[in-house]
Amino acid sequence: AQSVSQHNHHVILSEAASLELGCNYSYGGTVNLFWYVQYPGQHLQLLLKYFSGDPLVKGIKGFEAEFIKSKFSFNLRKPSVQWSDTAEYFCAVTGLGGYALNFGKGTSLLVTP
Amino acid sequence: NAGVTQTPKFQVLKTGQSMTLQCAQDMNHNSMYWYRQDPGMGLRLIYYSASEGTTDKGEVPNGYNVSRLNKREFSLRLESAAPSQTSVYFCASRASGTDNVLTFGAGSRLTVL
Repeated sequence: AQSVSQHNHHVILSEAASLELGCNYSYGGTVNLFWYVQYPGQHLQLLLKYFSGDPLVKGIKGFEAEFIKSKFSFNLRKPSVQWSDTAEYFCAVTGLGGYALNFGKGTSLLVTP
Repeated sequence: NAGVTQTPKFQVLKTGQSMTLQCAQDMNHNSMYWYRQDPGMGLRLIYYSASEGTTDKGEVPNGYNVSRLNKREFSLRLESAAPSQTSVYFCASRASGTDNVLTFGAGSRLTVL
């Protein structure tokens, strides 16, 4: 069965610090990978996705993620975080042609001024 | 554009009561999903409907039933609510094809006393 592991449950950063959130998955076949963000009191929104091609994916608000197939990883990065990036971040995976996304447990990011 | 609409947004139930969470999407999506979100647990799939007329169990289906009423609507029913079902419930939908991106509703916060 597919599973997704997010290593950091709670992260606290100062504004302008760099961010990297880890995500590893277990699945033997071709995968589609996602990062979703949930701002306080809001629903989940797609941050970025990887289906195929260039393993470095750029998303909204300056976020990017790198798919490393050999490490089964899809880490999220941002060079300089802002206070408005305070949110919960979820990594998700589904197999090619699969119907349901499997989500990690989420990482809560707090950015302090 | 309404996207995915869930009702109610908040509900308090007593143990043993029943209720139905409603979900409707206006994007002509084929697949619809119900997830629950609990602190430290991420999102867990309850049920999904790959297409109109079909439903399948997800990771945590016990205590729930679903109905795919038509292409637009997918309801989640709790027949006899239990405190363990206190959670935030999210409905999501997805178009067919290779695009696995889910669009989420705003969520329904359910408390079972």
